[in-house]
Amino acid sequence: KNEVEQSPQNLTAQEGEFITINCSYSVGISALHWLQQHPGGGIVSLFMLSSGKKKHGRLIATINIQEKHSSLHITASHPRDSAVYICAVIGTAGNKLTFGGGTRVLVKP
Amino acid sequence: AAGVIQSPRHLIKEKRETATLKCYPIPRHDTVYWYQQGPGQDPQFLISFYEKMQSDKGSIPDRFSAQQFSDYHSELNMSSLELGDSALYFCASSETGGTSNQPQHFGDGTRLSIL
Repeated sequence: KNEVEQSPQNLTAQEGEFITINCSYSVGISALHWLQQHPGGGIVSLFMLSSGKKKHGRLIATINIQEKHSSLHITASHPRDSAVYICAVIGTAGNKLTFGGGTRVLVKP
Repeated sequence: AAGVIQSPRHLIKEKRETATLKCYPIPRHDTVYWYQQGPGQDPQFLISFYEKMQSDKGSIPDRFSAQQFSDYHSELNMSSLELGDSALYFCASSETGGTSNQPQHFGDGTRLSIL
């Protein structure tokens, strides 16, 4: 079993829909990243959080440390949100990231 | 704002050749991380440096070596290249000051193709 699991693996939404991506992890962590990877490969860090909730524009990330679960929400989705969204955790020793399998999101106009 | 710069963006090599990938972190960032993402795979941590010293080591083959220089840029040296080394190599940097929980900022990656 992977240390970081994401669901769903693939998601198709219509423009304007609310999207939720889930991430569960099985190890102790000090923080969790949500990353966005577009076709062509570049990775952008969306959030780093270790508790509670963060919001940036139409994106909201939450984390529940006790339940070892985090969610990324996209409100009023847009075709430009189409990308792979990756959950990655920082363990309690060191700063390296351990990545989930990614969720491929396609938003149709 | 300045971002993490990786060079080259694309590199084509043949088996058994060597390659050097470069990473220039965001100014004032003291920590550099290298990740490898094979086709259709999750990124995997290779190695990291803090203040020019190796700080953590992951699944980096013995054929690979890396270092961080006095200006904080880092180079990943790869020798005896194999077909399985074809991947996207990401560098990330952060301003850790030796602590944890600092966000990592990623470069656009170097796509290495082995023929």
